[in-house]
Amino acid sequence: GDSVTQMEGPVTLSEEAFLTINCTYTATGYPSLFWYVQYPGEGLQLLLKATKADDKGSNKGFEATYRKETTSFHLEKGSVQVSDSAVYFCALSITGANNLFFGTGTRLTVIP
Amino acid sequence: EPEVTQTPSHQVTQMGQEVILRCVPISNHLYFYWYRQILGQKVEFLVSFYNNEISEKSEIFDDQFSVERPDGSNFTLKIRSTKLEDSAMYFCASRDRGRLNEQFFGPGTRLTVL
Repeated sequence: GDSVTQMEGPVTLSEEAFLTINCTYTATGYPSLFWYVQYPGEGLQLLLKATKADDKGSNKGFEATYRKETTSFHLEKGSVQVSDSAVYFCALSITGANNLFFGTGTRLTVIP
Repeated sequence: EPEVTQTPSHQVTQMGQEVILRCVPISNHLYFYWYRQILGQKVEFLVSFYNNEISEKSEIFDDQFSVERPDGSNFTLKIRSTKLEDSAMYFCASRDRGRLNEQFFGPGTRLTVL
């Protein structure tokens, strides 16, 4: 079935460190891929997305590239800030389907 | 910026009791969803709702669950007889017609069944 496997957390980094959160997927069709972020006390917010192979999604300094050959969509940021502390969720959807398939989420804490 | 709201933020109930979780989707959105996340596990799809009927549901969404849009603004999830394993964070989401799969989520309701 369709599923997402996400790097276990929590992750603690110092400010300005490089961030990678791994995400791999299994899908029967041609999925769209997403990263959602949840800041404390708020709902999940769409961070970035990619709808086909080799697409790169980017937002707020975060990037992820849709890699069909490795079925991956790893999230990266070159220099994290304290304000990036949140839970990050990788997700996929199959074109035409209604629902999102999520990973377990990775809690990121950035310390000054 | 418009947002999805959910109430209550935390609900504690006794096993066997009925609970209703409430959501107010973004006002011009047409598609509505419920998801849940049991602590330490994945966020799981429960049900989607469009045009006043369920459009898709997962295996989790059994006869104990129901959804309703009782008026033009609220979208509710009812659990008729709660079980311990229903303890989870429940997220509501909505999207409009033109932005396929860009779902906007509420902050969640934490349900604790004792």
